[in-house]
Amino acid sequence: RKEVEQDPGPFNVPEGATVAFNCTYSNSASQSFFWYRQDCRKEPKLLMSVYSSGNEDGRFTAQLNRASQYISLLIRDSKLSDSATYLCVVNQFYFGTGTSLTVIP
Amino acid sequence: ETGVTQSPTHLIKTRGQQVTLRCSSQSGHNTVSWYQQALGQGPQFIFQYYREEENGRGNFPPRFSGLQFPNYSSELNVNALELDDSALYLCASSFRLRTVVRTASYEQYFGPGTRLTVT
Repeated sequence: RKEVEQDPGPFNVPEGATVAFNCTYSNSASQSFFWYRQDCRKEPKLLMSVYSSGNEDGRFTAQLNRASQYISLLIRDSKLSDSATYLCVVNQFYFGTGTSLTVIP
Repeated sequence: ETGVTQSPTHLIKTRGQQVTLRCSSQSGHNTVSWYQQALGQGPQFIFQYYREEENGRGNFPPRFSGLQFPNYSSELNVNALELDDSALYLCASSFRLRTVVRTASYEQYFGPGTRLTVT
């Protein structure tokens, strides 16, 4: 079983929509969780850390569900500039395959 | 920008050759991790260097080796290149406290990557 699994998408949503991604992990002892954003042919950029109590940064909300072993990312009021691949990371080193998001005008 | 730099930007090598990729970490960071990212995949962890020692390693063969220098910059060396080694190679820098275990919560900042093509 993979350490981290993500739905690759693609997710195509209209501007202004709310979209959510989930990422499941296999190791129940995992301690750290992150979301990164990666634009085409660019490096991943840290979007936000995921704390046990959840984390919100503007239109972005990340949550951790330890009982079900998944993390989520919610994007509200989607912008065209949100189009990218979103990568979840567990225990610093284990990346998901990424979920592709395209926001349509 | 993150302040993490990598060189070269692009590289083309022939199967069987050797390659060295370089990474300069962000100022104030003491840890460098290397990743391989194939097209359409997430980054795969190769290894991490902390205070000039290998601190952890992913599922990569010994022909992938590395170094970290006193200024915390790092090199990734790949010997006997294979076609499947064609990928984007990313380094990421972070700051680690000496007493904290490997799996603690460290935010990483990536360099722009080196795109390696093996023909």
